[in-house]
Amino acid sequence: AQSVTQPDIHITVSEGASLELRCNYSYGATPYLFWYVQSPGQGLQLLLKYFSGDTLVQGIKGFEAEFKRSQSSFNLRKPSVHWSDAAEYFCAVEGRDDKIIFGKGTRLHILP
Amino acid sequence: GAGVSQSPSNKVTEKGKDVELRCDPISGHTALYWYRQSLGQGLEFLIYFQGNSAPDKSGLPSDRFSAERTGGSVSTLTIQRTQQEDSAVYLCASSPRPGTGVEQYFGPGTRLTVT
Repeated sequence: AQSVTQPDIHITVSEGASLELRCNYSYGATPYLFWYVQSPGQGLQLLLKYFSGDTLVQGIKGFEAEFKRSQSSFNLRKPSVHWSDAAEYFCAVEGRDDKIIFGKGTRLHILP
Repeated sequence: GAGVSQSPSNKVTEKGKDVELRCDPISGHTALYWYRQSLGQGLEFLIYFQGNSAPDKSGLPSDRFSAERTGGSVSTLTIQRTQQEDSAVYLCASSPRPGTGVEQYFGPGTRLTVT
């Protein structure tokens, strides 16, 4: 069965600094991978996804993520964060059984 | 077009009562998922429907939880004899083509409080 680990529960960065949120997955084959964002009081919104091809994927709001098979990772990055990026971020994996499993989330705090 | 809707948006119930939570997926989406979001626990998978069938019920926490889907559309999650630990936000999501890397579309959730 697939699983997702987001090792950082909270991350704090200064506005304008770069960001990397970690995600590791466990699955026997190449999974489909997703990053979602949940802003305060809002529903979950898809940032980006990987299912094949180029291992560096671009998403909305200036985010990108890189799939590294050798490390079973799919880390989310942004070169320069904005105060509006403060939210909770979830990594998710979909296996061939169609079940989508989410990590526990990383809450991002932005310092002015 | 219309997104995924859930009702009620908030539900307060007394311990021991039964509750029903409803999800209306996006029209034409064959897959429907229920998750539970508790503080610090992320999104806990509960159950997944493909059409009206539930190939995976492994996430239901106890036999007090059940779900059904009718007409390949609306789904109801029922919690019997609610307990305080059932308090959480229950999220529903739908997807047009599961297993293909197509993303899920989430509803706003139902916040359940058991007193």
